[in-house]
Amino acid sequence: QITLKESGPTLLKPTQTLTLTCTFSGFSLSTSGMGVGWIRQPPGKALEWLALIFWDDDKRYRPSLKSRLTITKDTSKNQVVLTMTNMDPVDTATYYCTHRGSEMAYFDYWGQGTLVTVSS
Amino acid sequence: QSALTQPASVSGSPGQSITISCTGTSSDVGDSKYVSWYQHHPGKAPKLMIYDVSNRPSGVSNRFSGSKSGNTASLTISGLQAEDEADYYCSSYTSSSFWVFGGGTKVTVL
Repeated sequence: QITLKESGPTLLKPTQTLTLTCTFSGFSLSTSGMGVGWIRQPPGKALEWLALIFWDDDKRYRPSLKSRLTITKDTSKNQVVLTMTNMDPVDTATYYCTHRGSEMAYFDYWGQGTLVTVSS
Repeated sequence: QSALTQPASVSGSPGQSITISCTGTSSDVGDSKYVSWYQHHPGKAPKLMIYDVSNRPSGVSNRFSGSKSGNTASLTISGLQAEDEADYYCSSYTSSSFWVFGGGTKVTVL
């Protein structure tokens, strides 16, 4: 079955760069149509889509954060990495890794999420 | 990119039906057959409940149904049960090739 798990720092200082890793199993990101995305949820607020990478290395980003985000994949390790530069306390959130299946425009599997706190 | 508009809260008694609306624009909900709904119990991973406007994934109760008219999508929960108490989010794939979520609706079972 498909599983995804997020890993990375739990605490960052303002201006630092966040690097999150999504390690997945049950599918291959080299399979045509597959994608892995990142979605976050600030405490008490709504879900926000951040980025997605497709099997062919095509990438999509949230327009308002595009300058700060980079998403990459390592197909051999079944991993997707999200980096976000210049972190701010407003970026404090639970970050989720998600699976987007072939030809799907929705996220059918989610990781448990990892809480990242930005504070000086 | 603005979030889709959902009511902050909706409540109902056990057995009743409730409907959650999700209003967007002609660039997202109105122009998309790709509206999805997610159930989120705090502390757990969100769960896909409806995809492509009105389709239910395997394993999701048929008490959940989705529809769309113009720029507004809707999620209906019939035969409301205590376990349905959660936050619900709509999402749409936009004409600009990215995703947008709604602000979320807290469903309370009275």
